[in-house]
Amino acid sequence: DAKTTQPNSMESNEEEPVHLPCNHSTISGTDYIHWYRQLPSQGPEYVIHGLTSNVNNRMASLAIAEDRKSSTLILHRATLRDAAVYYCILRDYSGNTGKLIFGQGTTLQVKP
Amino acid sequence: NAGVTQTPKFRVLKTGQSMTLLCAQDMNHEYMYWYRQDPGMGLRLIHYSVGEGTTAKGEVPDGYNVSRLKKQNFLLGLESAAPSQTSVYFCASSRQGGPYEQYFGPGTRLTVT
Repeated sequence: DAKTTQPNSMESNEEEPVHLPCNHSTISGTDYIHWYRQLPSQGPEYVIHGLTSNVNNRMASLAIAEDRKSSTLILHRATLRDAAVYYCILRDYSGNTGKLIFGQGTTLQVKP
Repeated sequence: NAGVTQTPKFRVLKTGQSMTLLCAQDMNHEYMYWYRQDPGMGLRLIHYSVGEGTTAKGEVPDGYNVSRLKKQNFLLGLESAAPSQTSVYFCASSRQGGPYEQYFGPGTRLTVT
């Protein structure tokens, strides 16, 4: 399974945008880029996913580099509730198992 | 619509005891997964199932067994618990095939003394 690299931690101020980077230089053509987040003492929750084009939903935006070797999760206005561990995961659909391989993720702190 | 539920929420076992963790989902999902999360770490996949009656090994399957007798339930068994199995266990489910998200349960905190 292809690996991702994320910074261990990042800080943001409340109501400011946050850009969470992820490198995945060995991504294959069948890998989708998924982002999940885990709030303290909870199970992970899905944030967004994409293949080649940039994606937006009510939670966040996903910007994918043209060569697909990196991506950035964008939270447009961070709130205190966005403090969590954010995981960037490559999900391979060629084997049709839907497995997720989690890395260490980025711990986001949001300051008031 | 409860989503994914896990039973029990907490459990303390002595070394060598056995137990079964139950995961149930009411979304008619084909795929189900068991993960464990140790302090300060990401989740690691233990076993998974792509349909009723099928199971497969994940990254860290040793010391665990699973069964998927009914589509909505996925059971994780520890036959002889060890302190190294102290962890938080998460169950998840998803639709079959495409890039569908996984829905996670609230977790079971297991301590083995």
